[in-house]
Amino acid sequence: EVQLVQSGAEVKKPGESLKISCKGSGYSFSAYWIAWVRQMPGKGLEWMGIIYPGDSAIRYSPSFQGQVTISVDKSISTAYLQWNSLKASDTAMYFCARSLRHDSWGQGTLVTVSS
Amino acid sequence: DIQMTQSPSSLSASVGDRVTITCRASQGVKNDLGWYQQKPGKAPKCLIYATSTLQSGVPSRFSGSGSGTEFTLTISSLQPEDFGTYYCLQHNDYPLTFGPGTKVDIK
Repeated sequence: EVQLVQSGAEVKKPGESLKISCKGSGYSFSAYWIAWVRQMPGKGLEWMGIIYPGDSAIRYSPSFQGQVTISVDKSISTAYLQWNSLKASDTAMYFCARSLRHDSWGQGTLVTVSS
Repeated sequence: DIQMTQSPSSLSASVGDRVTITCRASQGVKNDLGWYQQKPGKAPKCLIYATSTLQSGVPSRFSGSGSGTEFTLTISSLQPEDFGTYYCLQHNDYPLTFGPGTKVDIK
């Protein structure tokens, strides 16, 4: 069974750094893209970017380029989404999803940024 | 960027009704279009990919059609568990883009 399991909820202060994770299992992790999707409270889905674990190729949405960093460690079948300096506006649920088709999703990681 | 629009933005229908949601792309996306259902507090779930291919385990009352710039998701006979918000996603060109969503309520 394909599974994507994300790290737990985080509460951070503005200016702090954060790295959340998405661990894949039940399939060949290196062979499928992993995407990140943001959902702000009460809003729709926003596509952030995608990484191919096989060669670490990355594509960012222009809206998120420079704001976050996507990375992967294929040795442990895990993709990451990272911020260097969080803002209150980063408060959202973040999902990872497998493949360009987004055919399987993680359960989501709630990030709350508040002073 | 390819802009995606959906109509209607919300609908309320009765159990057994046929429901159709439309997704339009600002430029052609071939058949690289998927549909997702999201219930409150849950992760989205893929219903259909490649315009019309049903994801494994998804009931056959869901179907998709279209090509190019106009796509539809049809629920042939609405069931109580079909409430939620439905999104389309194009994956033909970067950045991938979602539609704004269609909220479905059961009357």
